[in-house]
Amino acid sequence: AQKITQTQPGMFVQEKEAVTLDCTYDTSDPSYGLFWYKQPSSGEMIFLIYQGSYDQQNATEGRYSLNFQKARKSANLVISASQLGDSAMYFCAMREGDSNYKLTFGKGTLLTVNP
Amino acid sequence: GAGVSQSPSNKVTEKGKDVELRCDPISGHTALYWYRQRLGQGLEFLIYFQGNSAPDKSGLPSDRFSAERTGESVSTLTIQRTQQEDSAVYLCASSLVSIADSSYNEQFFGPGTRLTVL
Repeated sequence: AQKITQTQPGMFVQEKEAVTLDCTYDTSDPSYGLFWYKQPSSGEMIFLIYQGSYDQQNATEGRYSLNFQKARKSANLVISASQLGDSAMYFCAMREGDSNYKLTFGKGTLLTVNP
Repeated sequence: GAGVSQSPSNKVTEKGKDVELRCDPISGHTALYWYRQRLGQGLEFLIYFQGNSAPDKSGLPSDRFSAERTGESVSTLTIQRTQQEDSAVYLCASSLVSIADSSYNEQFFGPGTRLTVL
């Protein structure tokens, strides 16, 4: 089974609107971390937001928030007030266990922000 | 401060040749990772270094792939007898290591090396 599933190969959003990018994960480890990275066309990977499995609150970082639903094993990224510069690939990733630092990535979602 | 750097940025080679890819992590970061990203795909984990040792090599696809790290700094990923399916972007990342439970260690990525095997 896929450890990280991103079911949306591509998404479109109008500038200034909010958009949700889906991510579901699969792990039996009670301790894990979930990450979202942005990859613009230039290729660099930019860390956006992190959610720990024991965190009680949903993570937020500026316009980014993570809708963490532990029972459903989902960690959707919400981008509010989309900007043209948000157009990029977005990857969800998971770290399993406290001592395992390897990240397992999903296949990504290509977000296009329309003016 | 300086981020993770990788060289070369692009490498074109002929099938069967060996290639070496270099990664310079952020100074002071003890953990270093190599990932591979095929066209249109997510990142695949290759290998993880803690200091100069590699406790997790589980992602190396074959014995043609090897990596080393010296001085808790520079790392090189070597691919011997390259094949066309090795064509990909090879990304290096580094992070601080924390021993606290449930802490996270943000991985800072380099710009990658685009490898093309003809």
